[in-house]
Amino acid sequence: AQTVTQSQPEMSVQEAETVTLSCTYDTSESDYYLFWYKQPPSRQMILVIRQEAYKQQNATENRFSVNFQKAAKSFSLKISDSQLGDAAMYFCAYRSAPHDMRFGAGTRLTVKP
Amino acid sequence: ETGVTQSPTHLIKTRGQQVTLRCSSQSGHNTVSWYQQALGQGPQFIFQYYREEENGRGNFPPRFSGLQFPNYSSELNVNALELDDSALYLCASSPGENTNEQYFGPGTRLTVT
Repeated sequence: AQTVTQSQPEMSVQEAETVTLSCTYDTSESDYYLFWYKQPPSRQMILVIRQEAYKQQNATENRFSVNFQKAAKSFSLKISDSQLGDAAMYFCAYRSAPHDMRFGAGTRLTVKP
Repeated sequence: ETGVTQSPTHLIKTRGQQVTLRCSSQSGHNTVSWYQQALGQGPQFIFQYYREEENGRGNFPPRFSGLQFPNYSSELNVNALELDDSALYLCASSPGENTNEQYFGPGTRLTVT
C-alpha cells in the first residue's frame, strides 16, 4: 500500500527566511503524481504545487519549489521569502490510481514576524 | 465562477443517527470526491463520483454512501453514526476523473456524541 510520511509535525520560520518541509512516500508504482496542499485555519485545502513522477525537473511556483528525489522517494517543499500568510498546515499527497489520493499527516508551519 | 461550497458548516449528531452532507461542485466540474479528515490527521479518500456514478472508493464501510445529481452536486450519507465518524468532511471537485486539478470546499465539521 502506498503511504505518505511527513516526519515534521511542526515547523517554524522567521518572516522572509526559507523553510523546507519534508515528505517521503512508499510505492512500487513508476508513474504517479505528488502534491503539496496548504490548509489555513479557514480549512479550505489549496493546491500549492504538483510534480509528475516522470518529470525529472523539479516543479516551481513563485516562492514555492520542490526537491523531488525519485530513487529516494522523497518530495520536500521549499518556501522562500516566507510570509505571514504562509502560516498553515501543509499536506504532502500522492496519487497513482485515478481516484485515490493519499495524504500525509501534515506539518504545521508557523511564521514569526 | 463559483467555487466549491459545502453545507452545513457544522453539525452535531448522536451515535446511531444518520447524516447527509452536501456539496456543490465548481462550475464546469463533473467529478466530486469526498474525504474524511480526523482531527490532527490528513484527509482520507472516501469515494469519488463521476457523471453520477461512483467510480472509486477508499477503505470505508458501506454505511458511507453517496449520490451525484445531474447538476454534478453531491451528497455524502452516513448511516448508524459512530463516535469515530467525528471529523471534517471535505468535498473536492475536478473537471474530470483526473484529480490533478482538484478544488476543495471548506468542509463540514461533524461531531458525533
